[in-house]
Amino acid sequence: AQSVTQLGSHVSVSEGALVLLRCNYSSSVPPYLFWYVQYPNQGLQLLLKYTTGATLVKGINGFEAEFKKSETSFHLTKPSAHMSDAAEYFCAVSASYGNNRLAFGKGNQVVVIP
Amino acid sequence: NAGVTQTPKFQVLKTGQSMTLQCAQDMNHEYMSWYRQDPGMGLRLIHYSVGAGITDQGEVPNGYNVSRSTTEDFPLRLLSAAPSQTSVYFCASSPTGQVGNTEAFFGQGTRLTVV
Repeated sequence: AQSVTQLGSHVSVSEGALVLLRCNYSSSVPPYLFWYVQYPNQGLQLLLKYTTGATLVKGINGFEAEFKKSETSFHLTKPSAHMSDAAEYFCAVSASYGNNRLAFGKGNQVVVIP
Repeated sequence: NAGVTQTPKFQVLKTGQSMTLQCAQDMNHEYMSWYRQDPGMGLRLIHYSVGAGITDQGEVPNGYNVSRSTTEDFPLRLLSAAPSQTSVYFCASSPTGQVGNTEAFFGQGTRLTVV
């Protein structure tokens, strides 16, 4: 079975500072990895995903993540936080074959301080 | 582009009442699923379906039933609501069998309160 761990439920970052959200996964088969963002009172939308190929993945709104198999990690970064980045962020993993069950982390609530 | 549509958006139930949360998608996706979101718990899978006529249990299936008679619709039924089922419910769909294309598309959610 697949699972992900996100540490630190609330993350505060100053406007203009680096955003770093950590995600570590566990998977018995090659994983697909995802970051989703949820704005207040909305559903989840995909930020970026890793399936195969390039390990540095670029997503929307200036976010990127790097797949590191040796560290079983898929950390999300953005060089400069913007007020509009305030949201909840979820890391998720699914198996690269078999069913499409997504396992989500508990999420990081990001607060951007002006 | 409708995508995944959930109804209702808000619902208050009394303990013991039953109701159905509706979910419809217009992307011809084979795979559909229901999650509940609770503070500090992330999203937990309730039930999922890999195609019409096929459903299976997820991580937290107790108290919920599902059926999948068509590709488009995947309703979630609460037979006897309990306060522990107070949550935000999300329906999601994704293509199946397409390597590298397992993005899930989410509805806007149904906020359910059981009193």
